[in-house]
Amino acid sequence: GAVVSQHPSWVICKSGTSVKIECRSLDFQATTMFWYRQFPKQSLMLMATSNEGSKATYEQGVEKDKFLINHASLTLSTLTVTSAHPEDSSFYICSAGGQGSSWEVGELFFGEGSRLTVL
Amino acid sequence: GNSVTQMEGPVTLSEEAFLTINCTYTATGYPSLFWYVQYPGEGLQLLLKATKADDKGSNKGFEATYRKETTSFHLEKGSVQVSDSAVYFCALSLPASQAGNNRKLIWGLGTSLAVNP
Repeated sequence: GAVVSQHPSWVICKSGTSVKIECRSLDFQATTMFWYRQFPKQSLMLMATSNEGSKATYEQGVEKDKFLINHASLTLSTLTVTSAHPEDSSFYICSAGGQGSSWEVGELFFGEGSRLTVL
Repeated sequence: GNSVTQMEGPVTLSEEAFLTINCTYTATGYPSLFWYVQYPGEGLQLLLKATKADDKGSNKGFEATYRKETTSFHLEKGSVQVSDSAVYFCALSLPASQAGNNRKLIWGLGTSLAVNP
């Protein structure tokens, strides 16, 4: 199946610094990417949707200036957590929908997730 | 609006027990339905899917049938193993013709399954 790679898988940073997480589709062109945040009790919160070459569409309540999303190519999207604080500590997951039949029926491929800990 | 409701966990079973995780949905039109699984410390991966009514998705011994009359997509496995311990998410997606540029998966809250030897 299609592969989505997310990096880094875990990161620890100091409060006030910025952290960038990369999401790459390795063997298909990802026209749409989604960024999720997963909370300790497992629920997934969609943060934003990004289409290649367009500005990301953020869900209500997600600060676009704090969570910068860039989808500059069909194989790469990045999430930058700016001026991170301890409350931003979480598990961030990207997913991608590509051209072809899988996304036409709504199937997504997921990265392995990135665990962010802000001290 | 569109939504997915799945049974709350955690679910704890002994090895070889029968598993059912209930999932019902509310959606206009004809969504595709999915079960995703998240093993400890990992991202999500597709377990199975069904794209139209009466379709049965199956994988790794798991099955789910798309029941439009009951708006359900319950996940079942006849004999669970310790390695099935994970969080299971039910989700739906509307076709592009309905959702347009706002296509995304609608998620249930997830059900944690623990299988004891």
